[in-house]
This record gives sequence, C-alpha cells and structure tokens, in this order.
Amino acid sequence: EPEVTQTPSHQVTQMGQEVILRCVPISNHLYFYWYRQILGQKVEFLVSFYNNEISEKSEIFDDQFSVERPDGSNFTLKIRSTKLEDSAMYFCASSEYLTGIGEQYFGPGTRLTVT
Amino acid sequence: KNQVEQSPQSLIILEGKNCTLQCNYTVSPFSNLRWYKQDTGRGPVSLTIMTFSENTKSNGRYTATLDADTKQSSLHITASQLSDSASYICVVSAAGGGNKLTFGTGTQLKVEL
Repeated sequence: EPEVTQTPSHQVTQMGQEVILRCVPISNHLYFYWYRQILGQKVEFLVSFYNNEISEKSEIFDDQFSVERPDGSNFTLKIRSTKLEDSAMYFCASSEYLTGIGEQYFGPGTRLTVT
Repeated sequence: KNQVEQSPQSLIILEGKNCTLQCNYTVSPFSNLRWYKQDTGRGPVSLTIMTFSENTKSNGRYTATLDADTKQSSLHITASQLSDSASYICVVSAAGGGNKLTFGTGTQLKVEL
C-alpha cells in the first residue's frame, strides 16, 4: 500500500541553524501539507501546497519557514534559523483531492530537537 | 476561532470492554469530521470521515456518530484490544478551507489486561 515517507526520523540541530525536512508524498497525490505537534500538544496545521505554490498557511508559518517541491517526488520544509520553540514532531501529509472529503495520509513524522 | 474539544482527556479500560469518546467543535462553515488514531511517535491514521449529511459511520470495531446540529461527535470502540491503546483525535475540516484540518487535543486510551 502506498505511503508517505519522511526523512530523517530524528534531527538534532543547534539554535540558529537551518534545517530541511524531507517528505515523499504518495505518487498520484497533488496536495501536500505540513503539520507540527509540540510534545504533549495537539497537531497544528502549518501549510498546504498545490501546483507549486502555497494554498494556505497558518500564523505559525512565518518568514522563517518555506516549502518547496524541488522535483517530481520530494516535498520539503525549510526552517531558516531554528529557535528552541521549533522543537516538535513535524508531519507531512498528502491527498489526492483538495475539497470535500479528501483523505489526508500522514507520514511517520520527523522529530526535530533544537538545542 | 475554529476549535475542537475532546473528552475525556484520558481513559483506561479493560480488554474486551467498550468505550465512547466525545468531541465538540465550533468549526464553521462545517465540511467534514474525521477521527484519527495516533500511536505514540507516529503519524495519525484515519478511522472515519463524515460529512454534514452522515449521522453514523463504522470501520470495523469503530463507530463514529455526528450530530451537526449540536456540533457533537462520538467514537465508540467495541470489544477493545490491547492494540487499541493510542490517542484518538477528532479533526474537523471547514468548508472552503482548502482541506485545512483543525485537530482536537485527543483522548489518550489505554487498554489493559
């Protein structure tokens, strides 16, 4: 069964450093998302992406964040200058449809630890 | 502001027993409501999705209900198994929201022998 994959599974970085989290969505999906989950808190929407541009973003997704689909398979989230509060689990998701009941399939997540 | 609230926060039941988890939401305009299961350290996995016109939907031992008038939903788990131990998250999508999902804080279920 097709699945969303994410790398790395765990990333440790120092405050102020740039990190890139990578995702490979399900191959025939057209809509891509990033979510984050701070330890012990709920999952929060960051950004949705379609047709090589951002569809929607939350207040969390400020200028420090960017997303890119560099090729036909990868979808990346870049944090330019990490802060301690960026430590969280980051989930990538993809869906075939945007509207209605488009099922979103989540990857296993990347645990980002900022020290 | 769109919000999803769940209760109880945590629950411990014995294997084989049934349980019901609750969800209240204030997302508007409403598009659909989903229940996800999230194992510790893993991504959420969809259990059910219901639109405005659906009152109930089942997926094996999981049965979700939706009352769009009172903006409440429940997830009933029948004949619980040890593998049901996980966080169960109620998630609501707003119409026109580009499939942006609003997550509840989840109910942490533990099934014991």
